[in-house]
Amino acid sequence: NAGVTQTPKFQVLKTGQSMTLQCAQDMNHNSMYWYRQDPGMGLRLIYYSASEGTTDKGEVPNGYNVSRLNKREFSLRLESAAPSQTSVYFCASSEGRWAGRETQYFGPGTRLLVL
Amino acid sequence: GQQVMQIPQYQHVQEGEDFTTYCNSSTTLSNIQWYKQRPGGHPVFLIQLVKSGEVKKQKRLTFQFGEAKKNSSLHITATQTTDVGTYFCAGRGSGGSNYKLTFGKGTLLTVNP
Repeated sequence: NAGVTQTPKFQVLKTGQSMTLQCAQDMNHNSMYWYRQDPGMGLRLIYYSASEGTTDKGEVPNGYNVSRLNKREFSLRLESAAPSQTSVYFCASSEGRWAGRETQYFGPGTRLLVL
Repeated sequence: GQQVMQIPQYQHVQEGEDFTTYCNSSTTLSNIQWYKQRPGGHPVFLIQLVKSGEVKKQKRLTFQFGEAKKNSSLHITATQTTDVGTYFCAGRGSGGSNYKLTFGKGTLLTVNP
């Protein structure tokens, strides 16, 4: 049981480049999340998916798109990266569809630097 | 929108001293969760509190949820070097479709051996 996995672990982009962050979970969870973590800012929700085929905006969705490819996978895409998107990105999952009432299991994170 | 404030931002203690972090919400919460993140790691769930006035203990850690369900605290007795990390609270609003967790900014605990 790998839990929540994320790829890549590290990435350096130039301003304007695009990339997709991948996330997968093997716990048969319904809900998946993308957060960003910046120094002194805590964790901020970017997007959330309660089930395959559904996504919902979080606190900071601008500049990002997501795809819930199937129950296991939830990807985050930066279409045109900006230096303000330099951050650590965490993917998380939880068992049911009631996001705030359940334990969230986090992946190891992707450290992104946009130059 | 819902805000969750957490204090202090940093706390440095000598090993064996106690530590407390506080979490305050601008609105009434349905429930609150606590997570720990070791340096360079990812957040790991510690506990969830749901009931008004609830107190839960995990060994040296004591978690409380306020009577009005707008504040919470985490107290560590006799800190150890293994307690080092950032402790986050995360609250869920009590109304309508506000089902998402809002995280506090966290308290970074360092312990001097």
